[in-house]
Amino acid sequence: GAGVSQTPSNKVTEKGKYVELRCDPISGHTALYWYRQSLGQGPEFLIYFQGTGAADDSGLPNDRFFAVRPEGSVSTLKIQRTERGDSAVYLCASSASPAGEDTQYFGPGTRLTVL
Amino acid sequence: RKEVEQDPGPFNVPEGATVAFNCTYSNSASQSFFWYRQDCRKEPKLLMSVYSSGNEDGRFTAQLNRASQYISLLIRDSKLSDSATYLCAVNDMRFGAGTRLTVKP
Repeated sequence: GAGVSQTPSNKVTEKGKYVELRCDPISGHTALYWYRQSLGQGPEFLIYFQGTGAADDSGLPNDRFFAVRPEGSVSTLKIQRTERGDSAVYLCASSASPAGEDTQYFGPGTRLTVL
Repeated sequence: RKEVEQDPGPFNVPEGATVAFNCTYSNSASQSFFWYRQDCRKEPKLLMSVYSSGNEDGRFTAQLNRASQYISLLIRDSKLSDSATYLCAVNDMRFGAGTRLTVKP
């Protein structure tokens, strides 16, 4: 079956611009996670959704970052006033059960470059 | 102190060698532990969960030491195809920086 998909695969933007990154989880998966990964580092947790609600948003670095999942499936990560330090690969993952109970499946990521 | 720490390596080993990685975690209340594999410019993929009693999957063995707050991954008879970065994860969402393994002929 289809895995987790993310669009776009690459995004280049200028400092100060607004970007939206989209994640389509595996159909039926109730849990959805956003991470970002910089070169040579592991995935850094940003936010976890269980259904439509953000169950844990403690990883969002500041108020420029926001994520939604209005219908409990597709999620959008929104970054306002982008900074060069936001450049990273943004990974989305989903799992069939709440965090800790089931395997996470990762999407291929969106590579964000802020010039 | 970071929540999850790993030796970044790199580990360069010959084919057939046995290699072990450790990962320490700071939160003593952590309940779930995992090892992921990540190939260059690809997404992480679950290698195995780590159970309290330790578990084995073919050439791979994972162990948990709650008293010392670390998990380990042992790879026996390493293959060229085992070359990758190995990430540990705690409570599903906290990852280490990864350990790079290169297996050479």
